[in-house]
Amino acid sequence: DVKVTQSSRYLVKRTGEKVFLECVQDMDHENMFWYRQDPGLGLRLIYFSYDVKMKEKGDIPEGYSVSREKKERFSLILESASTNQTSMYLCASSFLVNTEAFFGQGTRLTVV
Amino acid sequence: AQSVTQPDIHITVSEGASLELRCNYSYGATPYLFWYVQSPGQGLQLLLKYFSGDTLVQGIKGFEAEFKRSQSSFNLRKPSVHWSDAAEYFCAVGDTGTASKLTFGTGTRLQVTL
Repeated sequence: DVKVTQSSRYLVKRTGEKVFLECVQDMDHENMFWYRQDPGLGLRLIYFSYDVKMKEKGDIPEGYSVSREKKERFSLILESASTNQTSMYLCASSFLVNTEAFFGQGTRLTVV
Repeated sequence: AQSVTQPDIHITVSEGASLELRCNYSYGATPYLFWYVQSPGQGLQLLLKYFSGDTLVQGIKGFEAEFKRSQSSFNLRKPSVHWSDAAEYFCAVGDTGTASKLTFGTGTRLQVTL
């Protein structure tokens, strides 16, 4: 079974902190994604990576950056956390271009 | 730009009753279509997908969906709902270049009464 693991289920951070959300997949997938989930808005794509060191902005990249130094790991970085970044963050991965995405359990981030 | 509409925010059905969750999409080419389910506090699990071929797609847990190009719809159905089906359901459309780069609908929360 594909496993996508997010390092934390719950995080509480202070406004202005630099925050790292980590995601690891164990199936040698090329593609990795970060989504943000908010009630009434569904999931929205923040960033997408199709190879090591390669990234592409999604629909809502403002206030976020990403890092992919190794194929199995994709990090989401909040450079200076703000309260409007309080949300559920979901990582996903997929193999090649025409396959489905597999999701992690999510990280619920609260910025106070 | 592609988009997905799930017109029902919340649906309540009785256990054993049939279910249909609606999904309409806007996309220029032949779409890649998905239904995912999310139980409370969990990630998303794929129920089924449509890439091409037979327009009636079978998925896990007894779910099926039908792709209707003329109506730009991909509705999810189940003939008899179980209490454990209570969850949030998301319809999504994949990008032409990368099917797993998804645009999601806003979700439908299913409540099942006993």
